[in-house]
Amino acid sequence: KNQVEQSPQSLIILEGKNCTLQCNYTVSPFSNLRWYKQDTGRGPVSLTIMTFSENTKSNGRYTATLDADTKQSSLHITASQLSDSASYICVVKEGGSGSSNTGKLIFGQGTTLQVKP
Amino acid sequence: DARVTQTPRHKVTEMGQEVTMRCQPILGHNTVFWYRQTMMQGLELLAYFRNRAPLDDSGMPKDRFSAEMPDATLATLKIQPSEPRDSAVYFCASGFRRASADSNQPQHFGDGTRLSIL
Repeated sequence: KNQVEQSPQSLIILEGKNCTLQCNYTVSPFSNLRWYKQDTGRGPVSLTIMTFSENTKSNGRYTATLDADTKQSSLHITASQLSDSASYICVVKEGGSGSSNTGKLIFGQGTTLQVKP
Repeated sequence: DARVTQTPRHKVTEMGQEVTMRCQPILGHNTVFWYRQTMMQGLELLAYFRNRAPLDDSGMPKDRFSAEMPDATLATLKIQPSEPRDSAVYFCASGFRRASADSNQPQHFGDGTRLSIL
């Protein structure tokens, strides 16, 4: 069964500190992996999208890594700010060619990050 | 910045009532997705449209849910009759995808409709 597992479930850090969120997946065939940030009461916002051939991608203080061999990804947040408090959702898109390309998104349950002053 | 607009933002109604949620996708986007988010299940895909045609609604309870795109600027999700277990946040997202190519473009989400069925 195609699944996306995230850890930790929740995390509290002090402002200015770094943190790393983990995502393991069993989705096959694989198309791409996405990290979304979801603020409370808002819709998810895309941070990064990585394909099979990419192993790192940055978006400001957010850096995502992808190891397609071990089927693991991480999202590293540098010098955290209070506005980083949110849920971070890892999403893997199913791949395949032709009619077998479902393009279906498999969502992780998310990691809730709280940044304290 | 262009945004996906969802209405209403909040809806409280009694079980058995019809509920209609609306979504205005970003102009120029040709794909529209409906998701449901609950604490227990996280985000679940309900339906997916491309160029206004439904491509996948396997995640949607067929007996009570229906999704349509009357035109390119409006997508609707209806529940009739509603039940307490339908209480959730419903998100609409839009994007652009070419039919013959796998798209790595992000989906743009609206801020959701928070639905409570009493």
